[in-house]
Amino acid sequence: SQTIHQWPATLVQPVGSPLSLECTVEGTSNPNLYWYRQAAGRGLQLLFYSVGIGQISSEVPQNLSASRPQDRQFILSSKKLLLSDSGFYLCAWDRSARTEAFFGQGTRLTVV
Amino acid sequence: QQQVKQSPQSLIVQKGGISIINCAYENTAFDYFPWYQQFPGKGPALLIAIRPDVSEKKEGRFTISFNKSAKQFSLHIMDSQPGDSATYFCAASGAQKLVFGQGTRLTINP
Repeated sequence: SQTIHQWPATLVQPVGSPLSLECTVEGTSNPNLYWYRQAAGRGLQLLFYSVGIGQISSEVPQNLSASRPQDRQFILSSKKLLLSDSGFYLCAWDRSARTEAFFGQGTRLTVV
Repeated sequence: QQQVKQSPQSLIVQKGGISIINCAYENTAFDYFPWYQQFPGKGPALLIAIRPDVSEKKEGRFTISFNKSAKQFSLHIMDSQPGDSATYFCAASGAQKLVFGQGTRLTINP
């Protein structure tokens, strides 16, 4: 069966510090991978999606970047965090956009 | 054109009542319309989904109604229970990425 791992679950980082969030998927190959951010208001904002290794599409200009160094690994990074980067970050995968998307448990990031 | 508009933002329903959440889209290339349920501190999980070749899909107490000409679809929760209290997201996709609505926080009062 397929599983998605996302870590850490919670993170408190000072302004200006770097960020690296990792997501891995097991039990499938060549998944589509996604990073979403959910601010306190509930909405899911798509940050990045990837259809293959090294292929990253950015949805919104921001202080973040994403990389896909391996087929089932997706990394969200920042060189210098801003207060506005605080939020709930979710990684997800699907086989195609027309099938069920599976979400990780999320990372609660607080920038102080 | 990539947006999915969801309403209401929040909804309070009495136990046993019917909860109704509505969504509208613009992109006629969308052909897959799922609903996701999210509990606090967790990732969303698929609840039910529909494709535009049918006007209604029912799974237990959950029903999606789909109006292709109006480009609208809705989620109905019959006999709403306190355990249904969660945030619900509609979504839509075509060949590429899934686009989510802004979510509805549903509270079922006992």
